[in-house]
Amino acid sequence: GAVVSQHPSRVICKSGTSVKIECRSLDFQATTMFWYRQFPKQSLMLMATSNEGSKATYEQGVEKDKFLINHASLTLSTLTVTSAHPEDSSFYICSARRDSEKLFFGSGTQLSVL
Amino acid sequence: AQKITQTQPGMFVQEKEAVTLDCTYDTSDPSYGLFWYKQPSSGEMIFLIYQGSYDQQNATEGRYSLNFQKARKSANLVISASQLGDSAMYFCAMREGRGTGGFKTIFGAGTRLFVKA
Repeated sequence: GAVVSQHPSRVICKSGTSVKIECRSLDFQATTMFWYRQFPKQSLMLMATSNEGSKATYEQGVEKDKFLINHASLTLSTLTVTSAHPEDSSFYICSARRDSEKLFFGSGTQLSVL
Repeated sequence: AQKITQTQPGMFVQEKEAVTLDCTYDTSDPSYGLFWYKQPSSGEMIFLIYQGSYDQQNATEGRYSLNFQKARKSANLVISASQLGDSAMYFCAMREGRGTGGFKTIFGAGTRLFVKA
């Protein structure tokens, strides 16, 4: 099956710093990738839809300037949490859709902001 | 408005028995897709099964089957012959829109399944 690689798997940072999370589709081209956020024991909440070569589409309530998304190529999308604060601590997971219906997910990134 | 509803926060099943995880959805789009994903404690999301809104037959994938009742807007997951490794969080999800473009997929709250030996 298709593989989506997400890096890093875990990051701890100080408040005020920025953190970049990478999501790569390893064996297929993904014109669209999705970024989700998951709080402990809760569901996945869609943050934004990342479109290759264009601006991301953010869900209501998600700050564009806080969560910067760049989809520079057909195999790479990045999420940058800018000026991270403790409330940004969460599990972030990306996904990509190939030619079929199903989404392929990365392994997720656990962000802890001190 | 919530569009995917999973009413069972937790379920217990005896090993080797079958279990049904409930999912109801709400959409006005005639074209949509329904999914079930498994999330073990490691956090990864594992695709289990897919049902398209125009599919005539219920989807099956090994021990997983989807009981699709379109008129009732339900898409329950049936796991047969439960195994200890099935213990995990299960999410029902829906993709709205036509085609395979960038239409978003939304998730239900999830059901945690515990398989007892």
